[in-house]
Amino acid sequence: DQQVKQNSPSLSVQEGRISILNCDYTNSMFDYFLWYKKYPAEGPTFLISISSIKDKNEDGRFTVFLNKSAKHLSLHIVPSQPGDSAVYFCAASVGQAGTALIFGKGTTLSVSS
Amino acid sequence: GAGVSQSPSNKVTEKGKDVELRCDPISGHTALYWYRQSLGQGLEFLIYFQGNSAPDKSGLPSDRFSAERTGGSVSTLTIQRTQQEDSAVYLCASSWQGTGANVLTFGAGSRLTVL
Repeated sequence: DQQVKQNSPSLSVQEGRISILNCDYTNSMFDYFLWYKKYPAEGPTFLISISSIKDKNEDGRFTVFLNKSAKHLSLHIVPSQPGDSAVYFCAASVGQAGTALIFGKGTTLSVSS
Repeated sequence: GAGVSQSPSNKVTEKGKDVELRCDPISGHTALYWYRQSLGQGLEFLIYFQGNSAPDKSGLPSDRFSAERTGGSVSTLTIQRTQQEDSAVYLCASSWQGTGANVLTFGAGSRLTVL
């Protein structure tokens, strides 16, 4: 069973608009959530994280929102830029450093100019 | 080094052959992870090493897969008697033990194609 689910395989957005990527999880023991971005032929790169004790974390154009009661998190990118076009992975872990991350299948974001 | 280095970047092999994939983590990172990404799939956890502790092998799909980490640094993932379903991008990552979220730094991956 998938513990981290990204139900939208793809998303298309116009430049300057907001991109919202969604992620659902099933394990209530997860205490950290992370978003990674991946370009073709490169490894995933870390974007932003959030602790389960928070409901929002912001870093520049990127904001992650966490709704624990719904077991749902989302990544907002505002404003979207063509360079944001990539695959975005949601990941979660139980515990802090040293534990493996569990990833979703990813959402491919395409930002058109 | 400055980042996680993986070799080879591409490997084509025949079914039944053994392959070795190498990972050189970031200096000072105590934890090392192997994941794989099959076509259209997410990142599947395979194994992780943390310092001198016994590795967590819970993600290895079969006993044809093994990994070792020598001297707490370089790691080798070995796949014996490769099968076509082993074709995937194998990603290595490392992290250091600290507080907060466990941020993994990934290498560019080794693309394995089994004919």
